[in-house]
Formats: sequence, structure tokens, C-alpha cells
Amino acid sequence: AQSVTQLDSHVSVSEGTPVLLRCNYSSSYSPSLFWYVQHPNKGLQLLLKYTSAATLVKGINGFEAEFKKSETSFHLTKPSAHMSDAAEYFCVVSDSEGQNFVFGPGTRLSVLP
Amino acid sequence: EAGVAQSPRYKIIEKRQSVAFWCNPISGHATLYWYQQILGQGPKLLIQFQNNGVVDDSQLPKDRFSAERLKGVDSTLKIQPAKLEDSAVYLCASSPGTGSYEQYFGPGTRLTVT
Repeated sequence: AQSVTQLDSHVSVSEGTPVLLRCNYSSSYSPSLFWYVQHPNKGLQLLLKYTSAATLVKGINGFEAEFKKSETSFHLTKPSAHMSDAAEYFCVVSDSEGQNFVFGPGTRLSVLP
Repeated sequence: EAGVAQSPRYKIIEKRQSVAFWCNPISGHATLYWYQQILGQGPKLLIQFQNNGVVDDSQLPKDRFSAERLKGVDSTLKIQPAKLEDSAVYLCASSPGTGSYEQYFGPGTRLTVT
């Protein structure tokens, strides 16, 4: 069985400061990992994915995440937050065959002016 | 390229009634997913199709939920009879398939059961 823990339900940062959204996973397989963003009243959008290639993954809008197998973590970071980054972020785990998708509970990111 | 289409966008029904949702995936995408997202929670996978075959339906409440994907393209999800706890957003997603598993999501259908 697979599971995802997002350690913070809500993160608040000031515009221009770094963003860190934490994700830990549990998997019986070699996992694939994803981060999705959900803006209010908009559909889920893929930010980035890890599928057993480079452990540091770069995504859209300046986001990146690092896969750390020893820590079973896949934290999402961005050097400088923008007001448009305010949204709900979901960490997702699946097996390497594209099955058994499990979403985390989400982290709401607020960006203060 | 057109995205994943879903209809209706909103639906209000009374408990014990039935309801159906429709999804049209991105052209050429072999894999189609239905998720249930209850307010304040992450999406929960209900069923996954590969072409017109079911890959995973372990979390589908089969006593009241059913889904089909005829001809490996469009899909419908049905609830019969609905319960109050079925109030949620139902999301459809598709992915290219073998070797490429990133999912592209539709706008969802918001269901309210009264």
C-alpha cells in the first residue's frame, strides 16, 4: 500500500521569500512522484514529476523538488514566491507502472504582499 | 490541443436519486481516471481504465457507483442511488499511457446531494 503525508496543511509566506512545501511518502514499489497545483475554481495542473531519472526535478513556474530515497521525501521548493503562487498543492505517489495513484491531503499556500 | 472535457459542471440532486457524469479525454490518451474530491481533501482515485479495460477499481463503491468506457474513448460515471456523503467534485483525468503517466485533469463536476 502507498501513502502520502503533507506535513503542513497551510503555509504562509511573504512575496519574494522562499517556499518550502513538505511531502513524505510510503511505497512498496519504486515510486513515481508528482506535484500538482489547484488554483481556486481551476483544474489540477502538473507542476513536476519524478520517474527514477534525476533526483532533482525542475518544473514549471520556477518550482523544483528533490527526491530523497533515504528520507522518503519529495519536498517542493521555489526560491521566491509570487502572489500568483497562492493555491492548493498536492503531492502524489504512484508505482512505476502508472498505477496505484494516491494523493496527499494538500497544502494551502498563502502569499502575503 | 483540446483538454479533458467534463459535463455537467454542476449538479444538484436529492438523496436516493441517480446521476451520471460524462468525460471526454484528450485525443489519443489511453488511460482515463475518475477521482472523487471531497471538500478540504485530496482527490481519491475511484477507477482507472486502460483503453476500455479496468485497471483499478478497488476504491469504487460498487454497490452504488458504476463506470464504463465504451470504445476506449469517452467515459461515464454513474451513482445510483446517491447518498448525502457523495457530495463532492468528481474529476476526470487522462494520460498518454505506457511510459508516460502524468495526468491531465478536466474542470470537474460539482455534485451536491440534498
